[in-house]
Amino acid sequence: QKEVEQNSGPLSVPEGAIASLNCTYSDRGSQSFFWYRQYSGKSPELIMFIYSNGDKEDGRFTAQLNKASQYVSLLIRDSQPSDSATYLCAVNTNAGKSTFGDGTTLTVKP
Amino acid sequence: NAGVTQTPKFQVLKTGQSMTLQCAQDMNHNSMYWYRQDPGMGLRLIYYSASEGTTDKGEVPNGYNVSRLNKREFSLRLESAAPSQTSVYFCASSEASGEAGQYFGPGTRLTVT
Repeated sequence: QKEVEQNSGPLSVPEGAIASLNCTYSDRGSQSFFWYRQYSGKSPELIMFIYSNGDKEDGRFTAQLNKASQYVSLLIRDSQPSDSATYLCAVNTNAGKSTFGDGTTLTVKP
Repeated sequence: NAGVTQTPKFQVLKTGQSMTLQCAQDMNHNSMYWYRQDPGMGLRLIYYSASEGTTDKGEVPNGYNVSRLNKREFSLRLESAAPSQTSVYFCASSEASGEAGQYFGPGTRLTVT
């Protein structure tokens, strides 16, 4: 079992819809959780982090964490074509290093 | 602020050649990381440095060496390049705890023929 698992996609949503990206992790000791966006041919860019159970909102983005179910998700409201990218989930342990999932490719169709 | 910079952007090597990838950050971060990313895959940690003067192996360290030259700079060396090392290499940095996430450089696309 991979330490961090994501559906590879591709996930396709129409413009204006809500995109839902999911991630599960295996290490119950994980402390902090991150979402990165990576455009094709570019480097990953941090967009959200969350430490506590529940929701954290930042503009059109909402990160959700459920430590009991070892599940973290990213919701993108009012999806735009510019949101089309690969989204990487990352999980930190006490050591501070991140383990990354393989990413979910999102396409937002105009 | 330039953030995290990497050189070179592109490199082609023949099998057996050596090279060093350079990385520098101007965010006063303690921790620095080297990753490789193969097509359709996530990031795999090669080496990391929690602070100046310390380095540790990550998930895929074989065939690589690193040097934390000072707080700003962290280099990755391929001593004898192999085709399996064809990849995109990213350097990243973070605050000491890593809790605020990592900031990535633009990457180096390396091809080994």
